[in-house]
Amino acid sequence: DPKIIQKPKYLVAVTGSEKILICEQYLGHNAMYWYRQSAKKPLEFMFSYSYQKLMDNQTASSRFQPQSSKKNHLDLQITALKPDDSATYFCASSQIGGAEQFFGPGTRLTVL
Amino acid sequence: QQQVRQSPQSLTVWEGETAILNCSYEDSTFDYFPWYHQFPGESPALLIAIRPVSNKKEDGRFTIFFNKREKKFSLHIADSQPGDSATYFCAATLNTGYQNFYFGKGTSLTVIP
Repeated sequence: DPKIIQKPKYLVAVTGSEKILICEQYLGHNAMYWYRQSAKKPLEFMFSYSYQKLMDNQTASSRFQPQSSKKNHLDLQITALKPDDSATYFCASSQIGGAEQFFGPGTRLTVL
Repeated sequence: QQQVRQSPQSLTVWEGETAILNCSYEDSTFDYFPWYHQFPGESPALLIAIRPVSNKKEDGRFTIFFNKREKKFSLHIADSQPGDSATYFCAATLNTGYQNFYFGKGTSLTVIP
């Protein structure tokens, strides 16, 4: 059974629209993260959350808003989508104090 | 400023050879250095990691060599196999509990049979 679920697997959006990427982890971890991977910037850290609180934000644009409704959920809302937002978005999780981060399968977003 | 630099961008070795991937980092307070590998269409997965208390970490055919003074670390893949062909990312972080991983740009490794 998958331990980190990301939905959807593929997403196509039009410029200017808004989308929400879903992430749920069932590893019992208390820290969750979002990363973005594209040809231009491989594996770029975006956000870290711990106990549903934002710990670090390396994303300059306010168009990207993480949302955590439960301890094991960390969704990513993206507004006013641009073609440059096209990338694979990975959710990851870890145990605080632990070291290994586990990555989800990713959501491949294409903005037309 | 790029926190972690990785080289080479791509590497091709013959089966049985040792592949060497290199990384350097900027922040001397970083205290955890993992290597992840990623196969096409899949997500990154942890391969091996080291903390600065050691200058070497081995796991089977995979070895990390760490030089704290020069702020460099490398991954050696001994007896490379075609199944090792993947993209390898080094990373660094300050393990404050939650970790903001700074990843290198990746090395695409191809092992020719």
